[in-house]
Amino acid sequence: EPEVTQTPSHQVTQMGQEVILRCVPISNHLYFYWYRQILGQKVEFLVSFYNNEISEKSEIFDDQFSVERPDGSNFTLKIRSTKLEDSAMYFCARSRTRTDTQYFGPGTRLTVL
Amino acid sequence: KQEVTQIPAALSVPEGENLVLNCSFTDSAIYNLQWFRQDPGKGLTSLLLIQSSQREQTSGRLNASLDKSSGRSTLYIAASQPGDSATYLCAVVTGAQKLVFGQGTRLTINP
Repeated sequence: EPEVTQTPSHQVTQMGQEVILRCVPISNHLYFYWYRQILGQKVEFLVSFYNNEISEKSEIFDDQFSVERPDGSNFTLKIRSTKLEDSAMYFCARSRTRTDTQYFGPGTRLTVL
Repeated sequence: KQEVTQIPAALSVPEGENLVLNCSFTDSAIYNLQWFRQDPGKGLTSLLLIQSSQREQTSGRLNASLDKSSGRSTLYIAASQPGDSATYLCAVVTGAQKLVFGQGTRLTINP
């Protein structure tokens, strides 16, 4: 299975602070996704990204969230002003095509205090 | 709105048994269905992908079936082992490219 890596593995932040979560690419995978999983709940879709544009986003993905590929390499999720309810595992995923297997990273555990 | 349900929520069986995990979805207009495994505190490992035009996929001791018209999929695990203990997640891809997940089945294989 292609490896997807994410950094950091664990992030602790104070409410109101900005955080940036990073995902390292797999070559020839063109579609990128962010999901989150609040403890004990379902994995939820946040956003999909293709060709340097957001192609789909959920109602969770409000103005506090943004995604980009700043150097054409890493894929980042930024939360501008974190809230307590943003505490969750955040997973990056990638796929070669829009209907191909999505491969997930190990996740970043975000804890907002 | 697509909803995915997995039954049972938890399952405990002795080692060596064959078992079936169930997944149902409300909207049959899917592109594909994926089964994942999640170990506690870890990421998701893709097990099998079934395209909407397919009926089943096999990988080793795992066999997944898809009946799109009835909105159902099953994951069959043969000759279960303690290392199979994990949470198994079913997810469908809709026209919006996103995966919609079920709650998962927590599987425990007892030695």
